[in-house]
Amino acid sequence: GEDVEQSLFLSVREGDSSVINCTYTDSSSTYLYWYKQEPGAGLQLLTYIFSNMDMKQDQRLTVLLNKKDKHLSLRIADTQTGDSAIYFCAAYSGGYQKVTFGTGTKLQVIP
Amino acid sequence: NAGVTQTPKFQVLKTGQSMTLQCAQDMNHEYMSWYRQDPGMGLRLIHYSVGAGITDQGEVPNGYNVSRSTTEDFPLRLLSAAPSQTSVYFCASSYSRSSPRVGEQYFGPGTRLTVT
Repeated sequence: GEDVEQSLFLSVREGDSSVINCTYTDSSSTYLYWYKQEPGAGLQLLTYIFSNMDMKQDQRLTVLLNKKDKHLSLRIADTQTGDSAIYFCAAYSGGYQKVTFGTGTKLQVIP
Repeated sequence: NAGVTQTPKFQVLKTGQSMTLQCAQDMNHEYMSWYRQDPGMGLRLIHYSVGAGITDQGEVPNGYNVSRSTTEDFPLRLLSAAPSQTSVYFCASSYSRSSPRVGEQYFGPGTRLTVT
């Protein structure tokens, strides 16, 4: 089945850019998602990208997809302390249940 | 809309006890699911439902039962609690059950369960 992997931790200084990376194994994944989880809360969908796109930009967020390498990244420009959270990558590859989540990357923003 | 609600927020059980985690959504979503979140393991799917009366197993279904008698409610039952079920449980819903956009899920705030 699908396997989605992320590094567990990232630390950046306030105002810098953050880049969170994700790799997936199923080349038939059609939609890829980024979710944000703030402390003590559920996950919130940030953005998604369809597999026929290379890039998607939404205000401070930029998603890059390298389908050949099965690599997804989320770039947060001008990172703020409010961006401190766990970020989950998720992949959909068909079927009702096949939304596979990564382990999550904890982003720490240093003031 | 309240979105996805879960009760209780916290629960402590003794080994062998049973309980039901409640989940409700008011968005008329067809697709609902239960996940557990454990450190370093991300989210793992327990059970899911694509509509009232239809449920199926996910990745880690053992020790859990679900039912879906209405579109709104999707309770998760722990039959005989074990320490390995100590986790944070999330319910989620999605408006679509028949397109790739099933991955656009709305999550509840979670139930933090400890089994001693």
